[in-house]
Amino acid sequence: KQEVTQIPAALSVPEGENLVLNCSFTDSAIYNLQWFRQDPGKGLTSLLLIQSSQREQTSGRLNASLDKSSGRSTLYIAASQPGDSATYLCAVGKGNTPLVFGKGTRLSVIA
Amino acid sequence: DTAVSQTPKYLVTQMGNDKSIKCEQNLGHDTMYWYKQDSKKFLKIMFSYNNKELIINETVPNRFSPKSPDKAHLNLHINSLELGDSAVYFCASSQESPGAPEAFFGQGTRLTVV
Repeated sequence: KQEVTQIPAALSVPEGENLVLNCSFTDSAIYNLQWFRQDPGKGLTSLLLIQSSQREQTSGRLNASLDKSSGRSTLYIAASQPGDSATYLCAVGKGNTPLVFGKGTRLSVIA
Repeated sequence: DTAVSQTPKYLVTQMGNDKSIKCEQNLGHDTMYWYKQDSKKFLKIMFSYNNKELIINETVPNRFSPKSPDKAHLNLHINSLELGDSAVYFCASSQESPGAPEAFFGQGTRLTVV
């Protein structure tokens, strides 16, 4: 059974710092990995989707990498801003089966 | 235009009541899901429907009954609500493909049972 772990559970950084969020999964037979952002009391916003054949995806200040063989992904946020404060969720998918989520990393960027 | 929309956004109700949450997607996707996010913010799958057919039913009490009148809609009906049903319920959709379908989520319905 697929299990997804995110480390750290919470992170507080000063504005402008570069940071890395980690995600690991137990079953490497995945088709894709998706990073989401969730603001308090809000829904999920998809940030990046990495297909299993890809190594990384970039969107603006965000870069996500995927190492399927080791069951790891990282989300790199460059030059963090207070507006980046949110919970970041990692989820893995296999075909059209439902995503399996980690418990998230709660990020606070202090001005 | 909202891709995946849920109604209502908030729902407060008493124990024992029956309530429904509606979900609609305008993306033309053929697979829809219901997820539950508990008080610890952990998201878990409840149901998955593909082309109106139930594909996955995780360990969910039979008081929860999803209904898919067509590919664009997946509603969730809950009977005899209990305090432990309080959570945020998310609807999502994706398109079946041999590759890696991206999932799109609704804004969630915060259910509070009192």
